[in-house]
Amino acid sequence: EAEVAQSPRYKITEKSQAVAFWCDPISGHATLYWYRQILGQGPELLVQFQDESVVDDSQLPKDRFSAERLKGVDSTLKIQPAELGDSAMYLCASSFAANTGELFFGEGSRLTVL
Amino acid sequence: QKEVEQDPGPLSVPEGAIVSLNCTYSNSAFQYFMWYRQYSRKGPELLMYTYSSGNKEDGRFTAQVDKSSKYISLFIRDSQPSDSATYLCAMSGGGSNYKLTFGKGTLLTVNP
Repeated sequence: EAEVAQSPRYKITEKSQAVAFWCDPISGHATLYWYRQILGQGPELLVQFQDESVVDDSQLPKDRFSAERLKGVDSTLKIQPAELGDSAMYLCASSFAANTGELFFGEGSRLTVL
Repeated sequence: QKEVEQDPGPLSVPEGAIVSLNCTYSNSAFQYFMWYRQYSRKGPELLMYTYSSGNKEDGRFTAQVDKSSKYISLFIRDSQPSDSATYLCAMSGGGSNYKLTFGKGTLLTVNP
């Protein structure tokens, strides 16, 4: 069964360090999403790609977060410098089309900032 | 007022019970309504997907949407310990307004 792959599953870092997360969506899915989920909260969209183009990054803290999907396939989310409040689960999801709520999520990357 | 309100629970029921999970929303533009299930330390998975008002049934799960009341529900019949998870409601407006808005999630535990 096709899955969204994410790595690393767990990351512990100290504040002010750089951290990066990688996502490989389901093959053929043109739309890719990065969500942040704080413990006890629902996922919140950070950035949405359609192929290699950013469609929505209105909630991405651009002073420290960056995301890219250079070839329209896999994607990287970077945080530099990490802050204590960045501790959360970072979820990648993909969908066949942009105007559907049928998202397929990866298992997530749990970040702890000390 | 948040766009989507969901009681976080936790909700604990005995095996075999009927479970009712609910969300309310304020944005009348929402047309697509979803329920995601999230097991501990895993990503959410889509459970139910409905458009506009009405009911949809899939096995032991029934999703209801009442747009006039801005209220959606998920019912689980004959609940099983394997149903223990966090249930997230999500909704979007469709078309160019397709951004998903999630509720906080309700933590459900089904006790054997």
